[in-house]
Amino acid sequence: TQLLEQSPQFLSIQEGENLTVYCNSSSVFSSLQWYRQEPGEGPVLLVTVVTGGEVKKLKRLTFQFGDARKDSSLHITAAQPGDTGLYLCAGGGGTSYGKLTFGQGTILTVHP
Amino acid sequence: EAGVAQSPRYKIIEKRQSVAFWCNPISGHATLYWYQQILGQGPKLLIQFQNNGVVDDSQLPKDRFSAERLKGVDSTLKIQPAKLEDSAVYLCASSWAQENTEAFFGQGTRLTVV
Repeated sequence: TQLLEQSPQFLSIQEGENLTVYCNSSSVFSSLQWYRQEPGEGPVLLVTVVTGGEVKKLKRLTFQFGDARKDSSLHITAAQPGDTGLYLCAGGGGTSYGKLTFGQGTILTVHP
Repeated sequence: EAGVAQSPRYKIIEKRQSVAFWCNPISGHATLYWYQQILGQGPKLLIQFQNNGVVDDSQLPKDRFSAERLKGVDSTLKIQPAKLEDSAVYLCASSWAQENTEAFFGQGTRLTVV
C-alpha cells in the first residue's frame, strides 16, 4: 500500500509570510498532484507533476517533484487570506496503477 | 463542460437506516472514484471503477457498503445499515482514463448519522 505523509498538518500564518508544505512517501509515483479544498466543496486540482525534479509555478505557488518521484513540496510566497484551505497531495500510478492515493492534508489558515 | 454532479448535498439519517448517494461523472470519463472524507482529513478511496468494472474496492466495508456503475456512466453508493462512524463527506470523482489520475471532484454529500 502506498502512503503519503504530509507535513505540517496545521499551519497558521500571517498575511505576507511564506510557507512550505511537504509530501513524502517511500513509494515511487508516476505522477503527483496537488489539490486545494475549501469548506463544503470538493478538492480542486492545482497542478500535476510527472518528471523527477520538475518544478511548476502557478502565480505565487511553486510545486516541486523530488528527483526520485517519492516526494513533493508546495511553496507559497506572500500568502494571502484567500489561500486559506485544505491542501492535499495525491500520488498516482507507480506500484498501484491507476490508483489515486491522498495524503492526510495540510490545513492552512492565513490571517489578515 | 459540466462538472461532476452529486446528490444529495446533505443527508441526515438515524443509525441502522439506509442511504444512497448518486454521482454523474464528467462526460467521457472512464474512471470513477468514490472517496470518504472525515472532516479535516484527506479523502480515503472506497471504490474505483473503470467503465462499469471494479478496479479497487479493497477499502470498502462490504458488509454495509455497496456501489454500482451499471452502464459505465452514473454510479450509486449505498450504505445499509449506517453507523455513527459513517458520518463523513462522500466525494465522487472522475478522470479520463485509469492511467490518467487527474481527478475532477463533485461537491460531495455530507452525511450525518445520528
